[in-house]
Amino acid sequence: SQTIHQWPATLVQPVGSPLSLECTVEGTSNPNLYWYRQAAGRGLQLLFYSVGIGQISSEVPQNLSASRPQDRQFILSSKKLLLSDSGFYLCAWSIGYNEQFFGPGTRLTVL
Amino acid sequence: GQSLEQPSEVTAVEGAIVQINCTYQTSGFYGLSWYQQHDGGAPTFLSYNALDGLEETGRFSSFLSRSDSYGYLLLQELQMKDSASYFCAVRDETGGSYIPTFGRGTSLIVHP
Repeated sequence: SQTIHQWPATLVQPVGSPLSLECTVEGTSNPNLYWYRQAAGRGLQLLFYSVGIGQISSEVPQNLSASRPQDRQFILSSKKLLLSDSGFYLCAWSIGYNEQFFGPGTRLTVL
Repeated sequence: GQSLEQPSEVTAVEGAIVQINCTYQTSGFYGLSWYQQHDGGAPTFLSYNALDGLEETGRFSSFLSRSDSYGYLLLQELQMKDSASYFCAVRDETGGSYIPTFGRGTSLIVHP
């Protein structure tokens, strides 16, 4: 069966510090991968998606970047965090586009 | 671009039936999905409708009318554990991609 892992679960970082969030998927090959951000009490904002290794599409221009160094690994990064980067970050995968499977999420607080 | 509208909050009593509506404006519509998210948790997939009509899965049903750009999620025999946020998501062709766009979510509060 397929599983998706995200870490860390929670993170508190100072403004201006770097960020690296990792997501890995097991049990499937060549998945579509996604990074979403969710502000408190709000909907899901798509940040990046990838349909294959090295292929990244950005939906929202900002100080975040994403990389897919391996088929089932998706990394979200920032060189300098802003206060507005606080939120709940969710990684998801899909085969096709009808159903997405979400990881447990990382709750990021930037102080 | 796409836009989706769903109520921000719905309240109901345990054992009742509740309907959460979703209206959308898109181009090249492919289908409508529903997700459930409990506080602090990750969204989980509930249903997907590509064609008009009602899809039933246990206590949950989802309906789509493509001509009306409208769908709803119907929850029957409500239980306290159904208290959660429910998101509709539209899949359409935007800029050559087929990525679903999520609504802002409906908070369902079930009272005893």
